Amino acid sequence: AQSVTQLGSHVSVSEGALVLLRCNYSSSVPPYLFWYVQYPNQGLQLLLKYTSAATLVKGINGFEAEFKKSETSFHLTKPSAHMSDAAEYFCAVSRMGNTGNQFYFGTGTSLTVIP
Amino acid sequence: EAGVAQSPRYKIIEKRQSVAFWCNPISGHATLYWYQQILGQGPKLLIQFQNNGVVDDSQLPKDRFSAERLKGVDSTLKIQPAKLEDSAVYLCASSPYRGSSTDTQYFGPGTRLTVL
Repeated sequence: AQSVTQLGSHVSVSEGALVLLRCNYSSSVPPYLFWYVQYPNQGLQLLLKYTSAATLVKGINGFEAEFKKSETSFHLTKPSAHMSDAAEYFCAVSRMGNTGNQFYFGTGTSLTVIP
Repeated sequence: EAGVAQSPRYKIIEKRQSVAFWCNPISGHATLYWYQQILGQGPKLLIQFQNNGVVDDSQLPKDRFSAERLKGVDSTLKIQPAKLEDSAVYLCASSPYRGSSTDTQYFGPGTRLTVL
C-alpha cells in the first residue's frame, strides 16, 4: 500500500528562518513524490516533484526537497522563509496500479511565518 | 493558458438534497480527477477519467455519488442525496497526458459544499 505521513500538522517559523516540512512515505516499489502548496481559498499548486532522476529536486519559490531512499523521506526545505510562504503544504505519492495511476496525499502541514 | 475552472465556488444545501458540481479542465488535457478534501485532511481521489472513460472510481461512494465526462472535456460530479459528512471542498484537477505516475496535476479553485 502507498501512503505518506507528514509529521507536524502545524509549523511556525520566523521570517528569514529555515523552513523544514517533513514527509515520509511507505512504498514497496520506488515511488514518485510531489509537494503541493495550497493558499487560502485556492486550489493546489505544484511546488516540485521527484521522478527518479536527481535526488535533490528544486522547485518554485526557492523550495527544494531531497529524496532519501534509506530514510523513506522527501522533506521540503527553504533556506529563508518569506511571509508569502504561509500556506498549507501537501506531500503526495503516486504510482501506477492495476486500475491506473494512484495518487495519495498526506494530511498537510500548515506553515505560519512570524514577522 | 486558462486554468481549471470550477463552479459554483460555494454551495449550501440541506441534507437529503441533491447537488452538482461542474469542472472544465485545461484545454487538451486528457485526464481529469475529482477529489474530496474534508477540513483538516488531504485531498482524497474520488474518480479519475481518461478522456471520457473511467480509469479509477474505487473510492467513489457509488450509492450517492456519480460523475460523468461526456465528450471527454468538461465533467460534472453529483451527490444525491447529500449527507452531513459530505461537507467538504471538491477539487477538480486535470493533467495533459495519459495519467502516468509522473504527471503534474493542475487544480481548480474547488467548490466548498456545506450540508446542513
